[in-house]
Amino acid sequence: EAGVTQSPTHLIKTRGQQATLRCSPISGHTSVYWYQQALGLGLQFLLWYDEGEERNRGNFPPRFSGRQFPNYSSELNVNALELEDSALYLCASSLRTDYGYTFGSGTRLTVV
Amino acid sequence: GNSVTQMEGPVTLSEEAFLTINCTYTATGYPSLFWYVQYPGEGLQLLLKATKADDKGSNKGFEATYRKETTSFHLEKGSVQVSDSAVYFCALSQGGSEKLVFGKGTKLTVNP
Repeated sequence: EAGVTQSPTHLIKTRGQQATLRCSPISGHTSVYWYQQALGLGLQFLLWYDEGEERNRGNFPPRFSGRQFPNYSSELNVNALELEDSALYLCASSLRTDYGYTFGSGTRLTVV
Repeated sequence: GNSVTQMEGPVTLSEEAFLTINCTYTATGYPSLFWYVQYPGEGLQLLLKATKADDKGSNKGFEATYRKETTSFHLEKGSVQVSDSAVYFCALSQGGSEKLVFGKGTKLTVNP
């Protein structure tokens, strides 16, 4: 069974540009979660999608947005990039959270 | 609201030392509890979990017991190895599709 896959692995963007990160969940998982992990910090919850709808979002500005497609894959978009957006972005999928998440390996976004 | 508190790191041990990383939680009812591990440059991996009081989760020599009376889920290993060097996250879930709540993480370094 394929795990959660994220692409690209690394992404370098210039301040002010837009970044698009992609995530494919484990087959059968309908919920996708996005987290930001800045250097030296813990996991900051970004977004939760389930059945194509945004169910919850963390304390991030509106320039962080995303969507979930009919096949349950998901996209995270970050507009007007700022230097402090440089971080590891982790995607996770779940069938039921009392079973836990399965995480992808992350996308390392660097804003220069 | 739900929360998880982990002991502050970093923790530095010599190989074969005993490890304890403390984790306490605040939640209503009976959450599921998890420990995740993040090796350098990687995403998070589920290490172990427990879904009800007095359950003991175990994996790779690590274990943690769900203590309802002390709202704790401390991670232990009898003899750590250099390869155990990583960041460890405690987390809880109230079930369904609600997002997991993570602690801030504890960095463990094991020296030969």
